Amino acid sequence: QKEVEQNSGPLSVPEGAIASLNCTYSDRGSQSFFWYRQYSGKSPELIMSIYSNGDKEDGRFTAQLNKASQYVSLLIRDSQPSDSATYLCAVRNSGNTPLVFGKGTRLSVIA
Amino acid sequence: DAGITQSPRHKVTETGTPVTLRCHQTENHRYMYWYRQDPGHGLRLIHYSYGVKDTDKGEVSDGYSVSRSKTEDFLLTLESATSSQTSVYFCAISETSGSSAYEQYFGPGTRLTVT
Repeated sequence: QKEVEQNSGPLSVPEGAIASLNCTYSDRGSQSFFWYRQYSGKSPELIMSIYSNGDKEDGRFTAQLNKASQYVSLLIRDSQPSDSATYLCAVRNSGNTPLVFGKGTRLSVIA
Repeated sequence: DAGITQSPRHKVTETGTPVTLRCHQTENHRYMYWYRQDPGHGLRLIHYSYGVKDTDKGEVSDGYSVSRSKTEDFLLTLESATSSQTSVYFCAISETSGSSAYEQYFGPGTRLTVT
């Protein structure tokens, strides 16, 4: 079974620090990788997508992909209390298959 | 926000009754999905559709059926609701081409309670 693994947390970081969220996946043929943010009681919101090895930056967010290690991460710089949420990693395997989601990491940014 | 609405947003129903949840999109996306989200289980795919009248099962499809008669609407039916189907249900949409290929966008969710 193709799996996506995340540490459930909570991950606690002080305001202004860098939060590092990690995700591993089992299918070596995976094509596309996504990070979603979900606030309590709300729906998941797409914040980053990454398709090739390396880093992709968008504002305070950086996604990192290492296909050889089957590892994708999300860095949040200058973390704010408003970043406190659950972050879901999602992976698309080969073909037009639905995304496989991890169970999410809960991030808490302490003011 | 992606143009996705779900109805109803909240519903309480009794065990054994049929329930239909509706997802409506204005994005003309080909793919539509139904997920349920429960504590400790994350998002689990129930069914998905890759076109009008084209649907397939996800990992937790037992007790659920779907229909898609128009591009914009995807219905999820609980044939005979059970307490184990108490959950939050999310609809999502995606497309397979363009700059946002394979990105899934979620609706606001429906909170269903089966008593």
